[in-house]
Amino acid sequence: KNQVEQSPQSLIILEGKNCTLQCNYTVSPFSNLRWYKQDTGRGPVSLTIMTFSENTKSNGRYTATLDADTKQSSLHITASQLSDSASYICVVSERGGGNKLTFGTGTQLKVEL
Amino acid sequence: DGGITQSPKYLFRKEGQNVTLSCEQNLNHDAMYWYRQDPGQGLRLIYYSQIVNDFQKGDIAEGYSVSREKKESFPLTVTSAQKNPTAFYLCASSPREARGTDTQYFGPGTRLTVL
Repeated sequence: KNQVEQSPQSLIILEGKNCTLQCNYTVSPFSNLRWYKQDTGRGPVSLTIMTFSENTKSNGRYTATLDADTKQSSLHITASQLSDSASYICVVSERGGGNKLTFGTGTQLKVEL
Repeated sequence: DGGITQSPKYLFRKEGQNVTLSCEQNLNHDAMYWYRQDPGQGLRLIYYSQIVNDFQKGDIAEGYSVSREKKESFPLTVTSAQKNPTAFYLCASSPREARGTDTQYFGPGTRLTVL
């Protein structure tokens, strides 16, 4: 069964600090991996998407990495801001499965003063 | 949320009643999706549609129904057969599904509460 596991489940950091969120997956065959940001009570918004051949992709202060051999990804947030407080969801797509996605349960990040 | 609207934002329903959630997109996307989000769980796919007048069941379709009469609209009906309908419902769309790497764009969601 395809699974996506994220850690930690929740995280509290001070404004200006960096943090790294983890994602492990068992989806096979692998097509691509996406990170979404979801504000409370809103729909998820795409941050990055990486295919098998990509191992790093940045979007402003967000940098995602992918190790397709170990089936792990991370999302690094630099110089955190209060507006970064949200749930970060790792989503993996199965090759040949159309656009069927397997969603992680998310990491709830809170940035405090 | 760009280009996808869902209404209403909050919806209350009595047990035994059917209710329809609206989803409209102006992105000219072929594919549309309905997901359900519950606390502590990842999004789960209810139904999806790749093209007008065609749709397929997702992982948890029981107790739900959809229609796709227009490209821009994909309403979801939560029927009385759905045993635990209280949840946050998200609609999404993407360009033609077959390409696989297309990003799904999500609407703002509808929170349904059964009283």
